[in-house]
Amino acid sequence: LAKTTQPISMDSYEGQEVNITCSHNNIATNDYITWYQQFPSQGPRFIIQGYKTKVTNEVASLFIPADRKSSTLSLPRVSLSDTAVYYCLRDTGRRALTFGSGTRLQVQP
Amino acid sequence: DAGVIQSPRHEVTEMGQEVTLRCKPISGHNSLFWYRQTMMRGLELLIYFNNNVPIDDSGMPEDRFSAKMPNASFSTLKIQPSEPRDSAVYFCASRILPGQGNPAFFGQGTRLTVV
Repeated sequence: LAKTTQPISMDSYEGQEVNITCSHNNIATNDYITWYQQFPSQGPRFIIQGYKTKVTNEVASLFIPADRKSSTLSLPRVSLSDTAVYYCLRDTGRRALTFGSGTRLQVQP
Repeated sequence: DAGVIQSPRHEVTEMGQEVTLRCKPISGHNSLFWYRQTMMRGLELLIYFNNNVPIDDSGMPEDRFSAKMPNASFSTLKIQPSEPRDSAVYFCASRILPGQGNPAFFGQGTRLTVV
């Protein structure tokens, strides 16, 4: 199983930066790290993906250190609408994506 | 592109009835996944197809569940007979192979209630 470990829940306030760290000690050479966001009653939505160093898009940044055993999703200036479950996955390529329990982020006003 | 399209969005059925869930993947995508989500068990992979061929169905709960992908633009998940414990949200997702660097996109899901 492509297992990752991330906090069960996090709390934040509007306007703050949120960093969610994911551990993937047994990551394979060809694996990518992919993050999904899920709102209640919706399917998971792709946020960002990376292999190493830093990737940034209009939604988030993803930091992956040189050893690739962990990664950090950074959400700048969160708002109430960022309240969701965030999943960190190892993407092995031709196999299916395995979801863990994710991190439940609660943003308070 | 309209994204991954699932139908129906909601299904309520009586125990023992047959249920068929449908999925249309994004055009050009050649890998398709079926997931089930419940509060207790989270998001579970049921089965996935690469190029219309089932690759891993070890997540299918039991023989009452079956999935087909007759062509690149359509897949079905059938439950026969249905039971109350099958109540869940069923998601379909698709992506382009090879997977690395190509994320999967999910449909809106089908909420199944078996009474």
